[in-house]
Amino acid sequence: IAGITQAPTSQILAAGRRMTLRCTQDMRHNAMYWYRQDLGLGLRLIHYSNTAGTTGKGEVPDGYSVSRANTDDFPLTLASAVPSQTSVYFCASSDSGTGDTGELFFGEGSRLTVL
Amino acid sequence: GQNIDQPTEMTATEGAIVQINCTYQTSGFNGLFWYQQHAGEAPTFLSYNVLDGLEEKGRFSSFLSRSKGYSYLLLKELQMKDSASYLCAGMDSNYQLIWGAGTKLIIKP
Repeated sequence: IAGITQAPTSQILAAGRRMTLRCTQDMRHNAMYWYRQDLGLGLRLIHYSNTAGTTGKGEVPDGYSVSRANTDDFPLTLASAVPSQTSVYFCASSDSGTGDTGELFFGEGSRLTVL
Repeated sequence: GQNIDQPTEMTATEGAIVQINCTYQTSGFNGLFWYQQHAGEAPTFLSYNVLDGLEEKGRFSSFLSRSKGYSYLLLKELQMKDSASYLCAGMDSNYQLIWGAGTKLIIKP
C-alpha cells in the first residue's frame, strides 16, 4: 500500500540518549516534513525538505536534525533527548514544495516519551 | 503574529448538522486547509479554500471569507464515525502552514 511509513510507532527513551525516528514514503513526493503534536497545541513544524539534498528549519528546530539523502527517506534525529521532547511526531509529504499548495499526506505517527 | 483560533470542543447529535468555525491571522495568505484526525491516527486532508465562497464535497463543505479572516467546516447528516478532531490550517506568504489546536467533535446518538 502506497504511503508513508514511520518507525518506531512508540518509544520510551532515557534523557540524554540519541534517537532517530525513521520516515519512508513511496509516493515519489518532492517535499517532506516533520511535525510534533502536543496536547492543546497545533501541529508545529520541526524541519522540512523541499527536495532531495535540501533541508530547512521550521518553527521548533532546536534539538533536532534531519537529512534527505534521497527522495524516499527523511529521518529525524534527537541528538540528546530531553523530557520536553516527549510528543507525538508526524512525518508528512506532499507532491510540491515552496510555492505550491499541495495537500499533506501523513504517516501514522511516532509516540516518543523521554524520561 | 500568526494565529489560528478554533473552538476546543463541540458536541452534536447523530444525523444533525454542525459548523466548526476557524479564524486566522497569517502573514500573507495562500489558502486555508481543513484536516480530520481520529484519535490516535494521522490527520487526513478534507478541503482547501483559497477563494471566497463555499466548496461542497459530499456531506462536508468548507467556506472562506478572506476579508474577515474566517472559515468554517460544515458537516451534514452526522455519523458516529465523524467523531474526530478537525484541524484548521492557514498557509502564509511563505507557503508555510500555521495550524490551529483542533476542534474535538463529539457525536452523540
